[in-house]
Amino acid sequence: DQQVKQNSPSLSVQEGRISILNCDYTNSMFDYFLWYKKYPAEGPTFLISISSIKDKNEDGRFTVFLNKSAKHLSLHIVPSQPGDSAVYFCAARGYDMRFGAGTRLTVKP
Amino acid sequence: NAGVTQTPKFQVLKTGQSMTLQCAQDMNHNSMYWYRQDPGMGLRLIYYSASEGTTDKGEVPNGYNVSRLNKREFSLRLESAAPSQTSVYFCASSKLGGIEQYFGPGTRLTVT
Repeated sequence: DQQVKQNSPSLSVQEGRISILNCDYTNSMFDYFLWYKKYPAEGPTFLISISSIKDKNEDGRFTVFLNKSAKHLSLHIVPSQPGDSAVYFCAARGYDMRFGAGTRLTVKP
Repeated sequence: NAGVTQTPKFQVLKTGQSMTLQCAQDMNHNSMYWYRQDPGMGLRLIYYSASEGTTDKGEVPNGYNVSRLNKREFSLRLESAAPSQTSVYFCASSKLGGIEQYFGPGTRLTVT
């Protein structure tokens, strides 16, 4: 059962514009949500997290929004840069960590 | 500071062969994890070790065994490889109870 879903396999945006990556979850017991970034032939690297008791967390160009009633979170990247091109995984911590399938972001110069 | 290292980077096995994937971390983390990544599936937890001396099953443990050799090292063993175990395997570590996990570069395994 996929408790964490990323329904968009890919997203393409222009440099300087906003990138919005989305994630849905089913388990209301998750206490933390995270975003990881992955480049080819490398392991995922942590980007930003949010506690289930908050609705927003910001770190530089990256902001994560959590809507608990909709069981939905999103990652906003503003402004997007070509170096942001990577696969982004949404993850949620419950008994263990559950990951979405990933969204490939391409930022065009 | 190498972080999390994994060996080998690539491996091809025939069905029925066995092998051990090695993982080591130099961050003095208590907890270590093994994941597999398959297309369209994200990362799925195979086994984890919350602290030295303990191991627990994750979401997809069948066909695998693990050993927490010491605080630094956590190995994953395939006793009799099957084509369904073709995947990219990632090892990760974290502080005990920590949110963030630190991942190694992965091992790409193909079973023919």
